[in-house]
Amino acid sequence: EPEVTQTPSHQVTQMGQEVILRCVPISNHLYFYWYRQILGQKVEFLVSFYNNEISEKSEIFDDQFSVERPDGSNFTLKIRSTKLEDSAMYFCASGGGIFGSPLHFGNGTRLTVT
Amino acid sequence: AQSVTQLGSHVSVSEGALVLLRCNYSSSVPPYLFWYVQYPNQGLQLLLKYTTGATLVKGINGFEAEFKKSETSFHLTKPSAHMSDAAEYFCAVGTGTYKYIFGTGTRLKVLA
Repeated sequence: EPEVTQTPSHQVTQMGQEVILRCVPISNHLYFYWYRQILGQKVEFLVSFYNNEISEKSEIFDDQFSVERPDGSNFTLKIRSTKLEDSAMYFCASGGGIFGSPLHFGNGTRLTVT
Repeated sequence: AQSVTQLGSHVSVSEGALVLLRCNYSSSVPPYLFWYVQYPNQGLQLLLKYTTGATLVKGINGFEAEFKKSETSFHLTKPSAHMSDAAEYFCAVGTGTYKYIFGTGTRLKVLA
């Protein structure tokens, strides 16, 4: 069964540094998402992406965040200047775009900001 | 706006006992509802979904959920808990804008 893959599984960075989290969604999916989960807390929506542009974003997704689909397969989340509170598990997900179809999640990237 | 409420952040059951995890939703449009399971250090795996049609939905690993519009609920059940069911369970609602809203999760503990 096709999978969403994320790299790296764990990223450690210093405060103020830029990080790029990478995802390869399921190939025939049309909608792409980033969610984050601070340790032990809820899964929070960050952004959705469709047709090469952001379709919706949350208040968490401020100017420090950006997303890109640089080619036909990768989907990236960039944090320009990381803060301690950005430490979380970041999940990429993709969906087929049919209303009601479930999201398929990757195993996540654990980001630790020191 | 859509929202999801999961009652009980932690639920403990004995092995072999009934599992009941509660989820209530709020939606201004007919909802699409999902249950996901998360094992430690892993992503979210779809257990089951409700879109339209039959209100009792069966999923993987013996879980099922019933959509009750009058109660705005979508509770997850399993007749007999197994040790391998210990995990975190998330209820989610799909919105009209393709955004999926998750509940705060319920951690299920299964006692031997």
